Amino acid sequence: EVRLVESGGGFVKPGGSLRLSCAASGFTFTNAWMTWVRQAPGKGLEWVGRIKSKTAGETTEYAAPVTGRFTISRDDSTNTLYLQMNSLKTEDTAFYFCGTFYGSGAWGQGTLVTVSS
Amino acid sequence: IVLTQSPGTLSLSPGERATLSCKASQSVPNNHLAWFQRMPGQAPRLLIYGASNRATGIPDRFSGSGSGTDFTLTISRLEPEDFAVYYCQQYHVSPCTFGQGTKVEIK
Repeated sequence: EVRLVESGGGFVKPGGSLRLSCAASGFTFTNAWMTWVRQAPGKGLEWVGRIKSKTAGETTEYAAPVTGRFTISRDDSTNTLYLQMNSLKTEDTAFYFCGTFYGSGAWGQGTLVTVSS
Repeated sequence: IVLTQSPGTLSLSPGERATLSCKASQSVPNNHLAWFQRMPGQAPRLLIYGASNRATGIPDRFSGSGSGTDFTLTISRLEPEDFAVYYCQQYHVSPCTFGQGTKVEIK
């Protein structure tokens, strides 16, 4: 069974940092391009960024609002995707989801990040 | 690539057919266009990828079509659990943009 499970969300003050994890199973993680998206309260889905597979250079790409503050990485030895979030702002408050279009696709249940003073 | 979904809200009754549109500001390479269903408290549910391929476990009442700049999600006969918000996303070119969503509500 294809499964993605996010963790690491929580409450943080503006300017703080948080690292989210996404544990993958049930598919060949090494070959998958992995994505983070988010949804703020009352807003639509927003793409955060993605990381390509190692064979594709492990290139990362980011949405403009998070460029320079967020970093996506992966550990293919443990089938884990990460999102390091620094210099957090109140507008980063959202549910964060990891996902992939590899195979027939899979998306996790999400983890809530709240940025507030 | 800017994605524009229409209509913003679709008011229909169970059993009716729903047709949702997603128009791209430029051609989506390789038809890398997906449709998601979003319900409160639940994960984004991938319905369609590659414009017309149903994801695993998605009922055949959901179908995707289109290419280039014009894409459509059709729900042939609405079930009660289908009333939700639907988003299209192009996932070829960074930034991998979403449309603003179409809400399918019970009439």
